Amino acid sequence: SQQGEEDPQALSIQEGENATMNCSYKTSINNLQWYRQNSGRGLVHLILIRSNEREKHSGRLRVTLDTSKKSSSLLITASRAADTASYFCATGLTGGGNKLTFGTGTQLKVEL
Amino acid sequence: GAGVSQTPSNKVTEKGKYVELRCDPISGHTALYWYRQSLGQGPEFLIYFQGTGAADDSGLPNDRFFAVRPEGSVSTLKIQRTERGDSAMYLCASSLDRGERPYTFGSGTRLTVV
Repeated sequence: SQQGEEDPQALSIQEGENATMNCSYKTSINNLQWYRQNSGRGLVHLILIRSNEREKHSGRLRVTLDTSKKSSSLLITASRAADTASYFCATGLTGGGNKLTFGTGTQLKVEL
Repeated sequence: GAGVSQTPSNKVTEKGKYVELRCDPISGHTALYWYRQSLGQGPEFLIYFQGTGAADDSGLPNDRFFAVRPEGSVSTLKIQRTERGDSAMYLCASSLDRGERPYTFGSGTRLTVV
């Protein structure tokens, strides 16, 4: 079963614009992670945010977490064509070891 | 090794056959995870190992699926009597331990059952 739901399912923007993806989840978590996947191959870890954190930055990425609303957002600033990929949020549940439950993903297309 | 290695990268098999998918995690990573991903979907959890033991196998869909990690490093996912519905990308990942850690994924094995 999928715990997270990403919104939108698909997003198409122009190079240089910002891209925002949202993730909602259902149960209490201890951390939330974002991953990127190119062409249906392996996923690449982008950023991890813990349940006691509200915002985290890494390069052009900004992630926020609102545990009261059970939601997170991923912002990619100044997007590039190379950012074209699918983006997934994944939640680690309290007491679940490090087992992650992935969402349904957002397909981002950045056009030149 | 430098990354997580999965072999084979592609596997085509006939319905009813047995297949084995191999995962070689990053050296020193004690936790290893198997996921299955269908087209257009997110990865779906199958099983995870902490060391040699299966810490959580709740995602295995039925008793045709089995996984082992006998020495706490390489893992093999075994599927008996394959069905067309088993066709998917099978992803393996490892992490340093079972704490709140990022996963490193392999490139996956694309399984097609014909």
